[in-house]
Amino acid sequence: AQTVTQSQPEMSVQEAETVTLSCTYDTSESNYYLFWYKQPPSRQMILVIRQEAYKQQNATENRFSVNFQKAAKSFSLKISDSQLGDTAMYFCAFSMNYGGSQGNLIFGKGTKLSVKP
Amino acid sequence: GAGVSQTPSNKVTEKGKYVELRCDPISGHTALYWYRQSLGQGPEFLIYFQGTGAADDSGLPNDRFFAVRPEGSVSTLKIQRTERGDSAVYLCASSSPGAGTSGGTDTQYFGPGTRLTVL
Repeated sequence: AQTVTQSQPEMSVQEAETVTLSCTYDTSESNYYLFWYKQPPSRQMILVIRQEAYKQQNATENRFSVNFQKAAKSFSLKISDSQLGDTAMYFCAFSMNYGGSQGNLIFGKGTKLSVKP
Repeated sequence: GAGVSQTPSNKVTEKGKYVELRCDPISGHTALYWYRQSLGQGPEFLIYFQGTGAADDSGLPNDRFFAVRPEGSVSTLKIQRTERGDSAVYLCASSSPGAGTSGGTDTQYFGPGTRLTVL
């Protein structure tokens, strides 16, 4: 069975600074996806970034980038130039890759990020 | 276009009662997922539909939980004889699976959830 671990329950960062959220996972599979989702107080989960395990290049989306270390089973999220609107719960998630399609998501417990003015 | 919608937004019920939670996926999305998020936890998978059929119901905790998607669009999660431990936010997600591509077309889009409170 796959597991996802987020060891930082809470973090804070000053506006415009950079912050890194940690995530480790455990799987015996070689073909899978990893994700970071953001959940603001509105409860709606929003996809931040996605990484295919077969790709060595780290995914980036504007101010968001990941450090994917497949051998170490580590998948951290870096947020640059933090903005007040980045304040939210952040969840790391895993899913199997079935020929290019996702399976169900397995989530970590989340990290509560607060961006301070 | 419209996103995933879920009704009701909040539901308060008494222990032992029956509840139904509804999910309206994004139009044209054939895949639909239900997750349950307990306080302070990440969402946990319950059931996955591809079209009208439940392709994977391995996450349903027991036989009090049941879900249907009769016409391949709207889905209803049904909970019988509710217990206080069923209190959680129930999230629905939909996607349009794309086989054999890396274009990310099968991203799961989530609704705002239904907060269920069992007294």
